[in-house]
Amino acid sequence: QSVLTQPPSVSGAPGQRVTISCTGSSSNIGTHYPVHWYQQLPGTAPKLLILDNHNRPSGVPDRFSGSKSGTSASLAITGLQTEDEADYYCQSYDSSLSGYVFGTGTKVTVL
Amino acid sequence: EVQLVQSGAEVKKPGESLKMSCKGSGYSFSNYWIAWVRQMPGKGLEWMGIIYPGDSDTTYSPSFQGQVTISVDKSINTAYVEWSSLKASDTAMYYCARLDDTSGYYSRYFDYWGLGALVTVSS
Repeated sequence: QSVLTQPPSVSGAPGQRVTISCTGSSSNIGTHYPVHWYQQLPGTAPKLLILDNHNRPSGVPDRFSGSKSGTSASLAITGLQTEDEADYYCQSYDSSLSGYVFGTGTKVTVL
Repeated sequence: EVQLVQSGAEVKKPGESLKMSCKGSGYSFSNYWIAWVRQMPGKGLEWMGIIYPGDSDTTYSPSFQGQVTISVDKSINTAYVEWSSLKASDTAMYYCARLDDTSGYYSRYFDYWGLGALVTVSS
């Protein structure tokens, strides 16, 4: 059972903005450990989308943005496109578990 | 170009052993941690453990400690995960991934991933 909680699903029409929350605790996100985000397109391996809370790796469109506050983090997708349909996972470090943890995952559907 | 090439899909019976591989190329293999990640059918990502090829330093997730063995042969740029006795519940997709960081151990992220290898355990 993951210690980082995400909504199971979010949806939006093309062009809209959606946000995905990642709720942790004082042993992970709240301890200032950075949050990273991954996109997993259907049938493919995960891909790094956001690192260190808000930084985009080279090649990731600026439609994707990340933020962090307290014990939570968020991923925002603006100008939603059909190719954004995927599962999204947050990830951080947890001091209680002494290891890396993933969020429960969120399926984004483009209506 | 950084690449992680995993061994192929496997179909095994309960009780059988298995050793899967992950070969890195396009970067200094010895200097980056490699992780193994499980994804059970229709489920999320689970970190299994990590290994540093330079000195074989290994850390396991508490959930996987004693269940798998992670090893490396840096002479051939290859990391492994091994099961001595598979169970049906080991049926999953397994990914290897490279870890990088901008500010130390606790900030690590998985920047490159293998394509994954499906393990099916069924009698």
